[in-house]
Amino acid sequence: ETGVTQTPRHLVMGMTNKKSLKCEQHLGHNAMYWYKQSAKKPLELMFVYSLEERVENNSVPSRFSPECPNSSHLFLHLHTLQPEDSALYLCASSQDNRANSPLHFGNGTRLTVT
Amino acid sequence: GNSVTQMEGPVTLSEEAFLTINCTYTATGYPSLFWYVQYPGEGLQLLLKATKADDKGSNKGFEATYRKETTSFHLEKGSVQVSDSAVYFCALSDPGSGGSNYKLTFGKGTLLTVNP
Repeated sequence: ETGVTQTPRHLVMGMTNKKSLKCEQHLGHNAMYWYKQSAKKPLELMFVYSLEERVENNSVPSRFSPECPNSSHLFLHLHTLQPEDSALYLCASSQDNRANSPLHFGNGTRLTVT
Repeated sequence: GNSVTQMEGPVTLSEEAFLTINCTYTATGYPSLFWYVQYPGEGLQLLLKATKADDKGSNKGFEATYRKETTSFHLEKGSVQVSDSAVYFCALSDPGSGGSNYKLTFGKGTLLTVNP
């Protein structure tokens, strides 16, 4: 496989469930990101990992918990979510964290919280 | 702070029409500018970029010129195709003082629909 792969593509969960989103990149990149995409809103940066170290936590509620066990894998652990957390969650990677290093995105996980 | 403002859609065009999607920005430093495209059911893909004033980014018939004097980075294509139907995002990356990439600011996106 090449590029950035996210699983699952779709997820429906109740507010009391615990689930995890997975992202894997096969590009040899050193930085990985979680974004939230909601209708009619700009993309919201949630977390950034550079060389497996979290370098950005953009005021995200604690019910979202990221994990980066190595430079190729990124997880987003979810628990006790709210209906307003329903969105498309996008994972991205980049070669490094320089300003002109473009992001490579996965196809996203469409999350519905019931 | 940094911000990106792009024209609101949706934009609906006929095949072979000329496309312009306006994008203006505010930034504290000397940003790099990007256009990303999101096709239905997919994540975002980099379409083109420009890293300094007067640079022109181009790809797949699309182009955009980094205009520092007007703080703009408008996307243009001379003849659109049905396959260009997608959401287009303008974005900037301001290195600030640390040279970091992750301060990437996106616009809200513009939906383009091209009819046969």
